[in-house]
Amino acid sequence: DIVMTQAPDSLAVSLGERATINCTSSQSVLYSSNNKNYLAWYQQKPRQPPKLLISWASTRESGVPDRFSGSGSGTDFTLTISSLQAEDVAVYHCQQYYNIPRTFGQGTKVEIK
Amino acid sequence: QVQLQESGPGLVKPSGTLSLTCTVSGGSISSYYWTWIRQPPGKGLEWIGYIYYSGTTNYNPSLQSRVTMSVDTSKNQFSLELSSVTAADTAVYYCARVKSGGHLDYWGQGTLVTVSS
Repeated sequence: DIVMTQAPDSLAVSLGERATINCTSSQSVLYSSNNKNYLAWYQQKPRQPPKLLISWASTRESGVPDRFSGSGSGTDFTLTISSLQAEDVAVYHCQQYYNIPRTFGQGTKVEIK
Repeated sequence: QVQLQESGPGLVKPSGTLSLTCTVSGGSISSYYWTWIRQPPGKGLEWIGYIYYSGTTNYNPSLQSRVTMSVDTSKNQFSLELSSVTAADTAVYYCARVKSGGHLDYWGQGTLVTVSS
């Protein structure tokens, strides 16, 4: 199984400041034949299902604010919230869809400082 | 807008079988893969497996011996059965649609299943 590890487990950021979440996979999720990273980011607010934010490591879903961005390749990925808003308080999960079984990171909780 | 809704018993006895159904509305179940994900209280997400509308399945090896998924295209539904459950299977169970590649674009609201006598 590909192990996904997120850092930190939690972080507190002031409103308007940048939040950065890292996700590392135990093996590369870059498929060489199409040069795509099989990595997604989800946002989960309390008592709600996860919501897809970013696919292919850096492709923002329709309707997702542009303050959310994804970067990275191979085994190291980052989700950045450029200017934290109150509504961004949530747990963020990364997921690899390169291999079976699909696996998720343990989640990173983002709070307001 | 595609919507998914899980349904099934919220309480299952130990050693029993957990059975859930996901009803898809606002779109056809055809031409997509569909998946089940679970989340134990206060913990992370675990992929259970997926099923194609044709019936092809792929399960998490850690659960494979206990999992069965099925699909009913006439009802726009797919289902999950998990046998020989224990307290460790207590979780919120989500159904979701698999977009091309493998990321999950539509999710149900989730249903809490508790395993307890």
